[in-house]
Amino acid sequence: DQQVKQNSPSLSVQEGRISILNCDYTNSMFDYFLWYKKYPAEGPTFLISISSIKDKNEDGRFTVFLNKSAKHLSLHIVPSQPGDSAVYFCAAKPNDYKLSFGAGTTVTVRA
Amino acid sequence: NAGVTQTPKFRILKIGQSMTLQCAQDMNHNYMYWYRQDPGMGLKLIYYSVGAGITDKGEVPNGYNVSRSTTEDFPLRLELAAPSQTSVYFCASSYTGTNEKLFFGSGTQLSVL
Repeated sequence: DQQVKQNSPSLSVQEGRISILNCDYTNSMFDYFLWYKKYPAEGPTFLISISSIKDKNEDGRFTVFLNKSAKHLSLHIVPSQPGDSAVYFCAAKPNDYKLSFGAGTTVTVRA
Repeated sequence: NAGVTQTPKFRILKIGQSMTLQCAQDMNHNYMYWYRQDPGMGLKLIYYSVGAGITDKGEVPNGYNVSRSTTEDFPLRLELAAPSQTSVYFCASSYTGTNEKLFFGSGTQLSVL
């Protein structure tokens, strides 16, 4: 039972343009959401997070939007850079320590 | 800063063999976790620990065992390896369990043939 879904396995974007990654969840108890970035042969690294009391969180080129009524969140990367080419995982948790992960979206930034 | 260190990075096992995946963190984190990632799937929680001497099952614990004798170390034991355990295994840690990011190791690629 996949509680966190990333329906786009891959995304290709030109350097300098916006990358938009989407994530849907089914568990209404989730109240904290995170995005992780993963390069080949490395572990996931934390990118950005958002609490359910907010609808937007921004950190430099990265912005996460949360729509609780639609159980949907998205990650915007502006502008996209070649170093952003990686797998991005959406993750969500209720008020405990058990993170549920999506399957990931592979982003390729073209020069 | 070493962070979370996993060994080995790669391993091939024969069906029925056993092995231990090592995980150590030097950040004095209380919480530690073992995840597995199968192709095209998200990370699944195998076991977790909220402190030395305390462990509990995650979503997919069958075929695995863990122990937590110190704050720093959280080894994962595979008994009687099966092809279904072919996966990439990640160890992670966090200081608390609430609304806090996890720090991950670089992973162990395990193949059971």
